[in-house]
Amino acid sequence: EVQLLESGGGLVQPGGSLRLSCAASGFTFSSYAMSWVRRAPGKGLEWVSAISGSGGSTYYADSVKGRFTISRDNSKNTLYVQMNSLRAEDTAVYYCAKHGTAMVRGMDVWGQGTTVTVSS
Amino acid sequence: QTVVTQEPSFSVSPGGTVTLTCGLSSGSVSSSYYPSWYQQTPGQAPRTLIYSTITRSSGVPDRFSGSILGNKAALTITGAQADDESDYYCVLFMGSGIWVFGGGTKLTVL
Repeated sequence: EVQLLESGGGLVQPGGSLRLSCAASGFTFSSYAMSWVRRAPGKGLEWVSAISGSGGSTYYADSVKGRFTISRDNSKNTLYVQMNSLRAEDTAVYYCAKHGTAMVRGMDVWGQGTTVTVSS
Repeated sequence: QTVVTQEPSFSVSPGGTVTLTCGLSSGSVSSSYYPSWYQQTPGQAPRTLIYSTITRSSGVPDRFSGSILGNKAALTITGAQADDESDYYCVLFMGSGIWVFGGGTKLTVL
């Protein structure tokens, strides 16, 4: 069974940093692109970032470009996002998601999410 | 900045049919945008319904179908049930690895 388990969320002050992790199991992790998607309180889903299966290509939404860095360790079947210079508007539930057999097929499996709260 | 548009809310009667749409603030949606659809209920992770315009995700009943209608992507739910009451999101592939979600449609079944 394909499973994704996020961790690393918590309370952080504005300007602070946090690293989220997503442990994957049940599939050949290195063969699939992965994304981070978030949902802020009272708002809809927002795509944050994506990474190719090899890790050689990364992509970001304008709202996080220059502050967030997506990465993966295929030997550990784990996806990461390093979040720096955090703002109140980054407060959200963060989901990791696996893409289909090609990145263009969109996200097909989702984790349960981890909550990030940016507040003083 | 391109905005992906969805109806903010919709209602359907139990057993009825509803079509939700996904458009662009400028231009038309085609299969080249690889539209996908997701269902999310409060406190739960999103559930994938449709990808690549028309392909149902594993385990999704055939009451859910995707298409292109005119200049928009569409999600049609037939035989609506009470547990279809959820938020529905589309996402479009904008190229260069970038995805953009619509604002979501809150579907009420009553």
